[in-house]
Amino acid sequence: TQLLEQSPQFLSIQEGENLTVYCNSSSVFSSLQWYRQEPGEGPVLLVTVVTGGEVKKLKRLTFQFGDARKDSSLHITAAQPGDTGLYLCAEHESGGADGLTFGKGTHLIIQP
Amino acid sequence: KAGVTQTPRYLIKTRGQQVTLSCSPISGHRSVSWYQQTPGQGLQFLFEYFSETQRNKGNFPGRFSGRQFSNSRSEMNVSTLELGDSALYLCASSPVPGQGFNQPQHFGDGTRLSIL
Repeated sequence: TQLLEQSPQFLSIQEGENLTVYCNSSSVFSSLQWYRQEPGEGPVLLVTVVTGGEVKKLKRLTFQFGDARKDSSLHITAAQPGDTGLYLCAEHESGGADGLTFGKGTHLIIQP
Repeated sequence: KAGVTQTPRYLIKTRGQQVTLSCSPISGHRSVSWYQQTPGQGLQFLFEYFSETQRNKGNFPGRFSGRQFSNSRSEMNVSTLELGDSALYLCASSPVPGQGFNQPQHFGDGTRLSIL
């Protein structure tokens, strides 16, 4: 079973700052999904990246898939308090039958 | 369009009891997956159902079981509850099986289960 390592585990920054969180694996991803989970709610899908080197943007969020498809990053520009939440990366192993494998997430707090 | 609905939202049980959680998928979605979320282990896959049949199962003991009805609604059951079963149980639905990039998962807000 593939293990996903997310870093940092916790991050607290001021409103307006930029930040990057990471998702890494020792194995190649078939595709990778990023979710955000707010307290008391279920995870919500932000983006899916499929192709090595792919970059996707969602307003102030930029998602990058590593060329070797073994790592991904999420960069937030000018963070806002509404960005606060748990950011999770997840992967379904190609040919696997074990559902989505999630990293343990990055707890992000944006202080006003 | 209504989202994934999980009931109850909160539940308190004692060790040794059993519990049944319910999940109603998005209308038209026929695949339902269950996950357990704890602070220590994060989100872990329990099982997936489609057409009333369990397709996949994660690495959990047999005390965890589930079923799916003809209307795609799903239930999961945990018997002989242990303290370590305290967790947020999440249900996710998709139109058909397959959890790759072409079948995103839509999650409910979960059932918070506390074992005393």
